[in-house]
Order: sequence, then C-alpha cells, then structure tokens
Amino acid sequence: DQQVKQNSPSLSVQEGRISILNCDYTNSMFDYFLWYKKYPAEGPTFLISISSIKDKNEDGRFTVFLNKSAKHLSLHIVPSQPGDSAVYFCAARSGVTGTASKLTFGTGTRLQVTL
Amino acid sequence: DGGITQSPKYLFRKEGQNVTLSCEQNLNHDAMYWYRQDPGQGLRLIYYSQIVNDFQKGDIAEGYSVSREKKESFPLTVTSAQKNPTAFYLCAGGQLGTQPQHFGDGTRLSIL
Repeated sequence: DQQVKQNSPSLSVQEGRISILNCDYTNSMFDYFLWYKKYPAEGPTFLISISSIKDKNEDGRFTVFLNKSAKHLSLHIVPSQPGDSAVYFCAARSGVTGTASKLTFGTGTRLQVTL
Repeated sequence: DGGITQSPKYLFRKEGQNVTLSCEQNLNHDAMYWYRQDPGQGLRLIYYSQIVNDFQKGDIAEGYSVSREKKESFPLTVTSAQKNPTAFYLCAGGQLGTQPQHFGDGTRLSIL
C-alpha cells in the first residue's frame, strides 16, 4: 500500500523554465512533508519542508505547495538550473515517537534540466 | 566536519553470511534510522532508534538487526535470513520536532 505516490518517474525541463514535481498521499494523519534531492550513489539531501497547517513554503528558487483537501503537494523550482538534475523524493511524517519521526517516502521523480 | 558517515561504500556478501554496515554521526542526533532503497522504489524504513540501548522495527525489519550502544553509532547487520539483501542502504540521523533527517552517503550491498 503506497501511502505516498510520485506518479511521474521522470521529468525533463529546459534551463530557465519552471519545474513542477508532484506528490500525492493517502494518509490524512501525515502532519509534515519534506522534499529531498538525491544524486546517484549519494544520500538524499534535505531541500524544503512544509507543515500541514500551511499551504505554501518558499526558500529561494524552491516553493512547496500543499493542498490538504486534495492530499497533494508539489515542488516548484524556478528558474531551473542544470545542477538541479537529480532524483527528487517526497516524504511525509506520520507522527513523532519520542525523539524519532517516521517518514514515508515516495518512489522519486528524476528531473533532468536541459540546456 | 560534521555529518553522518557510512562505511564501507561498497560491500559484498557471500550466501549465508552476515555482514555489518557501519553508521557513525557527530551531529549529536538523538534519533537514528536505517533505510533501504531498491531500484525504482522509495526509501523503506528498516529500524530506528531514539535513544541509546533502544530501537524499534520499521516497515521491513525481517532479516536485519541493529544495536545502539553509543549515541554516535547505529550499526546494521544484514543476516543470512534476509533473502534479498542486494540494495542501497542509507543511514540517517535526526532530532525531535520538525527538523529534517540528515542522511549519510549510503552503502551498496551486493551478493557474490
């Protein structure tokens, strides 16, 4: 049962244009969402996050939008740069146990930014 | 230089052999995690620990074991009971609240 879904396995965008990566979830108990960026043979790097009480969070070129009623979030990158080419994972937190927070990850979207 | 350090980067296991993957952190994180990534799939949680000498099973704990004898260290043993151990293993650390988990660079385990 895939609780976090990234239905687009890949996306190609021209340099300078906007990249939009989408993520859908099914568990209404998720209270915090994160986006990670991953290069091959490396660990994921945290990019941006959003609490379920907000609908938008912005950090430089990166903006995450959350639509709770649709159980959908998206990551916007503008303008896209060649260095943004990587796999992007959406993750959702299902609560906190002591100091630990369990994350559920999507399957990832490979973004390629072309010149 | 702070962070999550995983070793080795590549590891090979013979059939029926146990292997241990190392994960060390100097970020003073209370919580540590082990994930597995397979091609075309997201990260799946194997085990996590929120304090020394305490750990809980994640979603795919069968065939794995962990220990947390020190705050800085959270080694993962892939036992012979894990029938499909070939994967990319990622260790992460984190703190309570909305702080994101920070990942190491992973260990790729292959079966000879």
